[in-house]
Amino acid sequence: DADVTQTPRNRITKTGKRIMLECSQTKGHDRMYWYRQDPGLGLRLIYYSFDVKDINKGEISDGYSVSRQAQAKFSLSLESAIPNQTALYFCATSDFGFGRQETQYFGPGTRLLVL
Amino acid sequence: AQKVTQAQTEISVVEKEDVTLDCVYETRDTTYYLFWYKQPPSGELVFLIRRNSFDEQNEISGRYSWNFQKSTSSFNFTITASQVVDSAVYFCALSEAVTGGFKTIFGAGTRLFVKA
Repeated sequence: DADVTQTPRNRITKTGKRIMLECSQTKGHDRMYWYRQDPGLGLRLIYYSFDVKDINKGEISDGYSVSRQAQAKFSLSLESAIPNQTALYFCATSDFGFGRQETQYFGPGTRLLVL
Repeated sequence: AQKVTQAQTEISVVEKEDVTLDCVYETRDTTYYLFWYKQPPSGELVFLIRRNSFDEQNEISGRYSWNFQKSTSSFNFTITASQVVDSAVYFCALSEAVTGGFKTIFGAGTRLFVKA
């Protein structure tokens, strides 16, 4: 079984709709991240969470919100979807402690199309 | 502010050629980490290598090698004797400390086409 899962894998929605993308991990990591990928722009950080009580905005958080329901779950919401939020969304986790190096492990991605 | 530049948008080579993917980074920190990830056509992101800022030793793993040079802020990736299966988008990333942990930013990626 995959260590980081994302649901749904594909989603088509209409402008103005609220949608939620979910991420679950079995790696036991404290840190979770949401990125979006657009052609030619690489991955850009939307939100990140270093533990259940910690939520931080990334470089492109406008139009998005997140919820860290548990150590293993981190959800991304689009309150009112717009077409330029059409992208590939990745969830990632990482584990860092003194003397350890941070590596991020990615989910399979969610393709979102906003019409 | 941190920044990662992958100047090569697309590279096309013929199988068995060697190819080098460039990565230049900017950071003010003395402690940071550099990564390379591969994204094959199937879309998933695959971790390839991590290097910390105190370790400038080059690394070789099979046909892959990485050249880290702090003097030029570069972390280049070379594939020797490329194969069609190497066709993918490759991302370089930089991770540096923020309050509570580390934050990672990615370059725009280099799309590699390996033709048979």
